[in-house]
Amino acid sequence: GAVVSQHPSWVICKSGTSVKIECRSLDFQATTMFWYRQFPKQSLMLMATSNEGSKATYEQGVEKDKFLINHASLTLSTLTVTSAHPEDSSFYICSARDRGYGNQPQHFGDGTRLSIL
Amino acid sequence: AQSVTQPDIHITVSEGASLELRCNYSYGATPYLFWYVQSPGQGLQLLLKYFSGDTLVQGIKGFEAEFKRSQSSFNLRKPSVHWSDAAEYFCAVGVYTGNQFYFGTGTSLTVIP
Repeated sequence: GAVVSQHPSWVICKSGTSVKIECRSLDFQATTMFWYRQFPKQSLMLMATSNEGSKATYEQGVEKDKFLINHASLTLSTLTVTSAHPEDSSFYICSARDRGYGNQPQHFGDGTRLSIL
Repeated sequence: AQSVTQPDIHITVSEGASLELRCNYSYGATPYLFWYVQSPGQGLQLLLKYFSGDTLVQGIKGFEAEFKRSQSSFNLRKPSVHWSDAAEYFCAVGVYTGNQFYFGTGTSLTVIP
């Protein structure tokens, strides 16, 4: 089945550090990937839609300069949290859809727990 | 606007008992419907999906869901719950014209011996 790999699974770093999270589709090509943020015991909040070869589309209220997204290939999207602060601590999850199948489900990575000290 | 409602925030069932998790959606056309499960600290795993055809869909781990257009519902069921089913369950709606999913707020399932 479709597998999405997310790395790292857990990051602990000092305030002011920039953190990069990778999302890879291992056995399919994904023209579109999605980045979500999840607070404890809450649902997923879509942050942005990452489009291969073009700029990401950010949801309202999400700072583009804070959360940099790059989708350089059909199998890789990265989310960089720039100058992270404690309020950025959260669980970040990516997902991807198999290209060519517009009604297919999103396949999710295992998430990255980000803790900013 | 599209929306997904999961009325039950938390459900507790005994192992071996039957389970039904409710999901209602609001969408102008027939949506694509999904159920996902999330174990603590993990990503989401697809349980089942509905696009068209038979309104009763079978998924993994013994789960099934029934689409009822008249009630705008897509409830998830399992005849006999196992302790390993304890997790967070999310209902999601996919719209035809876009990539976006709309997630419900989730239902937390606790299974007691």
